[in-house]
Amino acid sequence: SQTIHQWPATLVQPVGSPLSLECTVEGTSNPNLYWYRQAAGRGLQLLFYSVGIGQISSEVPQNLSASRPQDRQFILSSKKLLLSDSGFYLCAWGTSNRNNEQFFGPGTRLTVL
Amino acid sequence: AQSVSQHNHHVILSEAASLELGCNYSYGGTVNLFWYVQYPGQHLQLLLKYFSGDPLVKGIKGFEAEFIKSKFSFNLRKPSVQWSDTAEYFCAVRSSASKIIFGSGTRLSIRP
Repeated sequence: SQTIHQWPATLVQPVGSPLSLECTVEGTSNPNLYWYRQAAGRGLQLLFYSVGIGQISSEVPQNLSASRPQDRQFILSSKKLLLSDSGFYLCAWGTSNRNNEQFFGPGTRLTVL
Repeated sequence: AQSVSQHNHHVILSEAASLELGCNYSYGGTVNLFWYVQYPGQHLQLLLKYFSGDPLVKGIKGFEAEFIKSKFSFNLRKPSVQWSDTAEYFCAVRSSASKIIFGSGTRLSIRP
């Protein structure tokens, strides 16, 4: 069966510091991968998605970037964190079959001070 | 651009009350529709989905949703809620093979 991992689970970082959040998927190959940010009252905002290694689509311009160095690895990064980057970050995987849903990881709670 | 609207931000009900959470989407083409639920401290998980056929979809835990194409709606219903239904509920639409767009969520609180 497929599983999705995210780490770290929680992170407290000072403003201006770099960020690297990692997401890995097991039990499937060539998945679509997604990064979302969940903020109270604002739902899930799609940040990036990837349909293959090295292929990244950005949904909103911002202080973050994403990379997919391996088939089942998806990384969310920032060179300099802003206070507004605080939030709950969710990774998800899915397939290109329209009838299939996405499966979510446990999330990372990021607090920027 | 595709979007999903959930107009109820916070709903408070007593146990055994009936539930209906609204969801409207904006997209003129073929869509797949989903309801996800996030129980306190748990992962987001799928409640039900619609992709074709019968517009009335049955999900887990007694939930159902009806796809009304003419109204661009996919409202979630449950005839009698329980305290354990306390959670946040997200409607989502898939308009392409790659992307699922989520609504802002509805927080459901059930009074025991």
